[in-house]
Amino acid sequence: AQSVTQLDSQVPVFEEAPVELRCNYSSSVSVYLFWYVQYPNQGLQLLLKYLSGSTLVKGINGFEAEFNKSQTSFHLRKPSVHISDTAEYFCAVTKEGLTGGGNKLTFGTGTQLKVEL
Amino acid sequence: DTAVSQTPKYLVTQMGNDKSIKCEQNLGHDTMYWYKQDSKKFLKIMFSYNNKELIINETVPNRFSPKSPDKAHLNLHINSLELGDSAVYFCASSPGPLYTEAFFGQGTRLTVV
Repeated sequence: AQSVTQLDSQVPVFEEAPVELRCNYSSSVSVYLFWYVQYPNQGLQLLLKYLSGSTLVKGINGFEAEFNKSQTSFHLRKPSVHISDTAEYFCAVTKEGLTGGGNKLTFGTGTQLKVEL
Repeated sequence: DTAVSQTPKYLVTQMGNDKSIKCEQNLGHDTMYWYKQDSKKFLKIMFSYNNKELIINETVPNRFSPKSPDKAHLNLHINSLELGDSAVYFCASSPGPLYTEAFFGQGTRLTVV
């Protein structure tokens, strides 16, 4: 089974500062990795995903993440945050490839990013 | 044009009642899911259907029964509601059971009083 750890439950940051949200995963098989964002009272929106290829993945709204297989990490970064980035961010993992029992996303517990003026 | 739509958005009901949440997707996807987000914002899968066939059934009380009349719809019926069922329920869909991306609905906030 896969698991995801997001060590930081809250990350406060000033506007225009850089931010990194940490995500580590555990799996005995190869995985796909995702970052989703949830704005207040909204559903989840995909920020970016790693399936294969380049380990540096660029997503929407200026976010990027780097897959590090040796450290089993998939940290999310943005060089300069905006007030509108205030939201809950979820890291998620699923097994690579099709599995007979069906694939599912396993989520981390989320990181609340709070951007302050 | 909402890709994955859920109704209702808010649902307040008394303990012991039976309620349903509806989900529809217009993306032409084959696979649909129900996720539950608890008060601490933890998300966990409940069910998954692929082309109307149940493929994932996590450890969920049998008071919860999903129904997929066609591959564009996945409804969730809950019998004998309990206080602990209060949560936000998200419907999602993906092109197929090979999970490369999921699209989520806006969520249904269920409050049991």
